[in-house]
This record gives sequence, structure tokens and C-alpha cells, in this order.
Amino acid sequence: TQLLEQSPQFLSIQEGENLTVYCNSSSVFSSLQWYRQEPGEGPVLLVTVVTGGEVKKLKRLTFQFGDARKDSSLHITAAQPGDTGLYLCAGRAAGNKLTFGGGTRVLVKP
Amino acid sequence: NAGVTQTPKFRVLKTGQSMTLLCAQDMNHEYMYWYRQDPGMGLRLIHYSVGEGTTAKGEVPDGYNVSRLKKQNFLLGLESAAPSQTSVYFCASRASGSTDTQYFGPGTRLTVL
Repeated sequence: TQLLEQSPQFLSIQEGENLTVYCNSSSVFSSLQWYRQEPGEGPVLLVTVVTGGEVKKLKRLTFQFGDARKDSSLHITAAQPGDTGLYLCAGRAAGNKLTFGGGTRVLVKP
Repeated sequence: NAGVTQTPKFRVLKTGQSMTLLCAQDMNHEYMYWYRQDPGMGLRLIHYSVGEGTTAKGEVPDGYNVSRLKKQNFLLGLESAAPSQTSVYFCASRASGSTDTQYFGPGTRLTVL
């Protein structure tokens, strides 16, 4: 079983601060995805990274895939209350099934 | 285009009762999935299907059965519910490319007393 560990589990910050969420594994993934989930809803895909070392930006969110394709990070610049939610990373390996991390709950206070 | 829909949204069962959760997608996707989400554990795959008439076990299949008689529908059954099956259940679908977006339904919150 491939495990994905996310850290921290919970993050509370003030509006305007920066934050980074980490997703680590001992396994290699062919691609890695980040999702955001709001209360009472299903996860929504934010980004897919495929190449080792790849960096993708989505407005104030920056996603990086580790060189060895075993880890990833999500950095939010100048966080806003609308960024509040549960962030999930998910890796895809052999068999095309996704393995999800335990999630990081982010609270951005106004 | 409704995407992925799930019924019911909420359900309370007594131990030993049975029920079926319905997932429907209108995107003509080949792949469909059932996950359960428990606090601090992310989403765990219960069963999945790579096409009409085919199903396969995921990470936590015990106590659940599935059927995919029609391409657009994926049913999850609990034959004899147990308190350990209290969870939020999510259905998802995606097209057949390995990097295609996986779309999730809104979830079903199930409580087993």
C-alpha cells in the first residue's frame, strides 16, 4: 500500500500570511494531484503535476512536484478567507488508482 | 449537465439493516469510484469500475458490494450495516486518460447506530 502523508494536519493563519502544505511518500507516483474540499461538498481538482521538478501556478497557489516524484508541496501567497478548506493530495501509480493523503485543514481568519 | 450526483444525501441505519447508495454521472465517463472519508484519513477507495459491467475491489472493500449495469450508474450496497461503516461516502468518475480530471459527487453522510 502506498502511503501519502500530509503535514501539517491543521493550519490556522491570518489573512495576508503565506502558508505551505506538504505531501510526502516513500513511493514514486506517475502524477500527483491537489484537491480542495469545502464543507458538505466533494473534493474539486486544483492541479495535476506529472514531471519531476514541475512547478505549476494557479493565481496565488504554487504547486511543486519533487524531483524524484515522491513528494509535493502547495504554497499559498497572501492567503484569503476564501482559501479556507481541506486540501488533499493524491498520487497516481500503477493500476491508475489514486491514493489520497489524510488532508490538511486550512483556516484563514479575516 | 449535472456532473456527478449521489442519492441519498443523508441516511441513518440501524446495525444489520441494508441499503444502496446510487451514483449517476452524465459525462459518459468510463471510470467510476466509490470512496469513504473518515476524519484524518483522507479518502479510501472501496470499489471501482473501469467500464459497464466490470467492477474491482479497492483498498477497503469488506462489507460492501457494487454493481455497474449501466455506464452512467454505479451502485454501492451495504448488505448488513455496521457502526464501523459510519462515514461520508463519495462517488467519482473520470474519462479514461490517466491524467484526466476526477469529478466527485457531493457525498452521502451515513450513520449506523
